Amino acid sequence: DAGITQSPRHKVTETGTPVTLRCHQTENHRYMYWYRQDPGHGLRLIHYSYGVKDTDKGEVSDGYSVSRSKTEDFLLTLESATSSQTSVYFCAISGQGETQYFGPGTRLLVL
Amino acid sequence: DAKTTQPTSMDCAEGRAANLPCNHSTISGNEYVYWYRQIHSQGPQYIIHGLKNNETNEMASLIITEDRKSSTLILPHATLRDTAVYYCIVRGGYNQGGKLIFGQGTELSVKP
Repeated sequence: DAGITQSPRHKVTETGTPVTLRCHQTENHRYMYWYRQDPGHGLRLIHYSYGVKDTDKGEVSDGYSVSRSKTEDFLLTLESATSSQTSVYFCAISGQGETQYFGPGTRLLVL
Repeated sequence: DAKTTQPTSMDCAEGRAANLPCNHSTISGNEYVYWYRQIHSQGPQYIIHGLKNNETNEMASLIITEDRKSSTLILPHATLRDTAVYYCIVRGGYNQGGKLIFGQGTELSVKP
């Protein structure tokens, strides 16, 4: 398995609070991705990074921001969590032109 | 981005081959076909990918038609642990970050 960890694995928070999810890799891959998965929607891309401090938006980026200050960490921040952001969040990594490998996921519940 | 079409669900008897079809009629010449599966609520697991030629690895075989408009994933001897949702994906180019666009997938149930 690719060396990807996500933290926390489970989180319950209240509407309006900030939340940060962390994705950590030990593979030194250039690309990192954040997806969310909801019933009836499959996985949808939120943001991705193609290098340190280089990020771009995916298809469902509203309400999310990301940061990548070093190769191994990609942070996803919900500045003010809403109930619609209750979801399972998956991180993925890949080298240039290579297969994406996924982390174990983070279950987020916003009350 | 090329879209894929898969059956919503399929059943397979344990020990038999599972053949999962996928249509991708708008695929471009430089786009790869990828297959992933997701068991329960785990992270998607990579299975196999291909461009034009048929591919085989320790998990599965991928058969791509000559016109590349469809493909079939074959699990040669399905076990109960192969019960999962299987996603057929056409990978976007790297001007789009190489993102994967997931559809609804096929829910495969392997039965004793």
